[in-house]
Amino acid sequence: SSEVTQDPAVSVALGQTVSITCQGDSLRNYYASWYQQKPGQAPILVIYDENSRPSGIPDRFSGSNSGNTASLTITGAQAEDEADYYCNCRDTSGNYLLFGGGTKLTVL
Amino acid sequence: EVQLLESGGGLIQPGGSLKLSCAASGFIFNNYGMSWVRQAPGKGLEWVSSITATDGRTYYADSVKGRFTISRDNSKNTLFLQMNSLRAEDTAVYYCAKDMGSVWAPYFDFWGQGTLVTVSS
Repeated sequence: SSEVTQDPAVSVALGQTVSITCQGDSLRNYYASWYQQKPGQAPILVIYDENSRPSGIPDRFSGSNSGNTASLTITGAQAEDEADYYCNCRDTSGNYLLFGGGTKLTVL
Repeated sequence: EVQLLESGGGLIQPGGSLKLSCAASGFIFNNYGMSWVRQAPGKGLEWVSSITATDGRTYYADSVKGRFTISRDNSKNTLFLQMNSLRAEDTAVYYCAKDMGSVWAPYFDFWGQGTLVTVSS
């Protein structure tokens, strides 16, 4: 199987824009989905199908794909966006699912 | 409202077995694939296993292949994970998740709250 990698930690000033990236060869063939997880809670889906948001997810969350990189962008970050974010996609064989190692987002 | 309720976690000795269950409600269970995802203490998410909706094809991470078995009972809207030959590194919160999307863009649209499995002597 292959892997997808994320920066371990990112910080953003309140109200500013931040992008969290996910890199891996499988992203050339498969779209990533993105999950937000706050301490002690289960993950929740925030982006799927490259740039679709489930009901209830604010429109400040968006996604994009380019080459081997998927990105989650938060435009106008809020204090409640402080959380761990994980990308997920298939591996290059198509038989496994992969999670990135997660990015801890701090809102300053 | 979609609900996924895991049960069956607990403390088990290395080499032991445990069977997790996930009771699903709020959607037509036999129309959707289902998965197990785990998270070791202080670590990231790890996909464990998936099962398709009707033909029951199964997929496993290399770390659990040959030791874990995923199954489902569509008549009872329940997903299972039989875990054998447990190791300390299997210690984690195990989440049940509902599969959505396509081959090219899979995703998990709903997650349970998780059940903790602790493998220790």
